[in-house]
Amino acid sequence: EPEVTQTPSHQVTQMGQEVILRCVPISNHLYFYWYRQILGQKVEFLVSFYNNEISEKSEIFDDQFSVERPDGSNFTLKIRSTKLEDSAMYFCASIRQAKEKLFFGSGTQLSVL
Amino acid sequence: AQSVTQLGSHVSVSEGALVLLRCNYSSSVPPYLFWYVQYPNQGLQLLLKYTSAATLVKGINGFEAEFKKSETSFHLTKPSAHMSDAAEYFCAVRERDDKIIFGKGTRLHILP
Repeated sequence: EPEVTQTPSHQVTQMGQEVILRCVPISNHLYFYWYRQILGQKVEFLVSFYNNEISEKSEIFDDQFSVERPDGSNFTLKIRSTKLEDSAMYFCASIRQAKEKLFFGSGTQLSVL
Repeated sequence: AQSVTQLGSHVSVSEGALVLLRCNYSSSVPPYLFWYVQYPNQGLQLLLKYTSAATLVKGINGFEAEFKKSETSFHLTKPSAHMSDAAEYFCAVRERDDKIIFGKGTRLHILP
């Protein structure tokens, strides 16, 4: 079965530093998402991306966050100046069409020290 | 607006016993409903999904769920629990091409 690939699997950074989380969605998929899961809490929606633009974003997704699909294959999430509370598992996901299932990557565990 | 409620943040069952994980949803339109499983230190895997084709949905690893519109429920069941079923289970709802909204999750513990 095709997979969504996320790198790195674990990233440690200092507070205030910029981080970029990388995702390679499934090649023929059109809709892309970022979710996060703070330890012990539910999976929260961050942002959806379609046709090279953000289609929806949550309250969590403030000015410190941005997404990009720079080359037609990668889908990145950038956090400009990380805070301690950004520590979480970040999941990328993609779908081809609205009715189909969401494919999730295995996540990037971000630890902000 | 769509939302999902999972009753019980922790559920413990004995190996071989019935597993029942409860999920209720609210949605303004007929929803798509999903159950995802997260094993320790892993990402989310789809167990099963409901997209209006049939109210009883069978998924992987012997799990199934029944969509009951009158009760706005989509409970997950498995007749006989196995030790390998120990994981976090998330119910989720999506309206058409909208984002998925997850419940808070239920941690399933299997007792020997």
